[in-house]
Amino acid sequence: QKEVEQDPGPLSVPEGAIVSLNCTYSNSAFQYFMWYRQYSRKGPELLMYTYSSGNKEDGRFTAQVDKSSKYISLFIRDSQPSDSATYLCAMRRDGGYNKLIFGAGTRLAVHP
Amino acid sequence: GAVVSQHPSWVICKSGTSVKIECRSLDFQATTMFWYRQFPKQSLMLMATSNEGSKATYEQGVEKDKFLINHASLTLSTLTVTSAHPEDSSFYICSARVQLAGAGTDTQYFGPGTRLTVL
Repeated sequence: QKEVEQDPGPLSVPEGAIVSLNCTYSNSAFQYFMWYRQYSRKGPELLMYTYSSGNKEDGRFTAQVDKSSKYISLFIRDSQPSDSATYLCAMRRDGGYNKLIFGAGTRLAVHP
Repeated sequence: GAVVSQHPSWVICKSGTSVKIECRSLDFQATTMFWYRQFPKQSLMLMATSNEGSKATYEQGVEKDKFLINHASLTLSTLTVTSAHPEDSSFYICSARVQLAGAGTDTQYFGPGTRLTVL
């Protein structure tokens, strides 16, 4: 079993839809959770990060962490064609530096 | 924000030759950089962790004699693919460890990647 599971999609939605992207994980020691967006043939860019459980909002993006269920989500409101990309979740343990563990990435297509 | 650059953005080489990829932190000093490999429609695979002034730490299964990493300064790390073969063709991405302001933790900022094609 992988430490981080993420549905690769593709996920296709119409412009303006609310998008829900999710990851599950097995290691209860993970404390830091991040979402990256990667456009085709580009490096990933950091969208949001959260520590432990809770919600965090930034513009049209909301990240949620439910540690009791080992489940994290990224919501995109009012999705735009420019949001079409692959979204990668990543997480790591606390205490010193530990490497990031990435999900497989979900490909999202927002069509006009 | 922190900017990481990579050079070249793409390279085509003949089998048996060596290729060097540079990763630079443009507006900050990076004591730790990472090198990843990514196959089409797959996630990032960490190859090695590069610390300035010391030897890189390679992940299990990554040949350190084939993928030479040098982190000679606080703004530059290089990955050299030695005696490249077609199976080394891939997308190579570097990242730099960056402290998140006010967060008490750090994350990674990624370069744009280098597409290597070995003929």
